[in-house]
Amino acid sequence: DVKVTQSSRYLVKRTGEKVFLECVQDMDHENMFWYRQDPGLGLRLIYFSYDVKMKEKGDIPEGYSVSREKKERFSLILESASTNQTSMYLCASRGTSGPTDTQYFGPGTRLTVL
Amino acid sequence: AQSVTQLGSHVSVSEGALVLLRCNYSSSVPPYLFWYVQYPNQGLQLLLKYTSAATLVKGINGFEAEFKKSETSFHLTKPSAHMSDAAEYFCAVSPPGQNFVFGPGTRLSVLP
Repeated sequence: DVKVTQSSRYLVKRTGEKVFLECVQDMDHENMFWYRQDPGLGLRLIYFSYDVKMKEKGDIPEGYSVSREKKERFSLILESASTNQTSMYLCASRGTSGPTDTQYFGPGTRLTVL
Repeated sequence: AQSVTQLGSHVSVSEGALVLLRCNYSSSVPPYLFWYVQYPNQGLQLLLKYTSAATLVKGINGFEAEFKKSETSFHLTKPSAHMSDAAEYFCAVSPPGQNFVFGPGTRLSVLP
């Protein structure tokens, strides 16, 4: 069974803290993604990576960075957390067979920044 | 640019009634289409996908969707709603060589 795991389901941080969200997939997928989900705004792509050490900006990269040192692991970093980054964060992975490939999601991390 | 619209941000049905969730896409090339479901405080789970093999696609939990090219639609249906179907549903298109484009989602409520 395919699996995408995220390090925390719920996280509470203070403004200005550095926050790491970890994502691991066991499907040997090349592509990995970070989204944030907010009520009324749907899913918005923050960053994605199509290979180890490669990263591409998505639609809303400001305030975030990412790291992909190993194929199975994709980390999202909030350098200095702010209250407007309170959100649900979803990680996903996908193979490279073609456009019919399914994107698999992790369970999400609900981050609250106080 | 590709786009996906889902008519109705919130749909309510009675238990046992037909579920119809609408999805329309804009695409200049043959699309690959997906429906995902998200239960509260969980990630997205694949319900079904259209890959051009058949226009009527059956998915998990009794859901199915029909691809209609002339209407650029991929509506999701289920003959009889169950309380456990209450969730948010997302339609997505996968343009060749590009990332997924997700619709805004439709929240389904099932009334007893």
